[in-house]
Amino acid sequence: SQQGEEDPQALSIQEGENATMNCSYKTSINNLQWYRQNSGRGLVHLILIRSNEREKHSGRLRVTLDTSKKSSSLLITASRAADTASYFCATDGSGNTGKLIFGQGTTLQVKP
Amino acid sequence: GAVVSQHPSWVICKSGTSVKIECRSLDFQATTMFWYRQFPKQSLMLMATSNEGSKATYEQGVEKDKFLINHASLTLSTLTVTSAHPEDSSFYICSAVTGANEKLFFGSGTQLSVL
Repeated sequence: SQQGEEDPQALSIQEGENATMNCSYKTSINNLQWYRQNSGRGLVHLILIRSNEREKHSGRLRVTLDTSKKSSSLLITASRAADTASYFCATDGSGNTGKLIFGQGTTLQVKP
Repeated sequence: GAVVSQHPSWVICKSGTSVKIECRSLDFQATTMFWYRQFPKQSLMLMATSNEGSKATYEQGVEKDKFLINHASLTLSTLTVTSAHPEDSSFYICSAVTGANEKLFFGSGTQLSVL
């Protein structure tokens, strides 16, 4: 079953603005990952944060993880029209099997 | 980075026919691959875990006789949708893990339309 809940479901911003997406999960995890999906395409891995980490950066991406609240956020700074896509968080549970459970996703539209 | 190739990208078939989708890891060996299904504007739903040389493990509610999975080599897993019906129309995506069992690499997906 899907355990991740994301909000907002949809987000529309202007180019240059920051976009923040949130994800909540239910069980304990080894790590949490964020993926991006362009319409009708496969997923691209963005960033992985381990359960003992609180914050991670990758270029214009910043991910936070609060295991006490079972939540994570993805911040995209200085957004570009090319960032328009759906973003999903995914958790692995604690079995380290590689099996991921995905959140419902946030659809981001960045207007030029 | 690791590359996963999925083929075909899209397929249209008549109701009652069977469709095979291939997922290949091009530059690494994948002992485990995963098959997901995605309906429009929805998230990915895990269908099954494909293990090389053994039977696939299906998630609850997924019919194993309907969705046949074969993982005969370390670089290839196939999903066959048997006797497809319009309700099987969906976007199917495969993924493979590297040895660390952390980051997944995804195929580009297959859009199946059953008429």
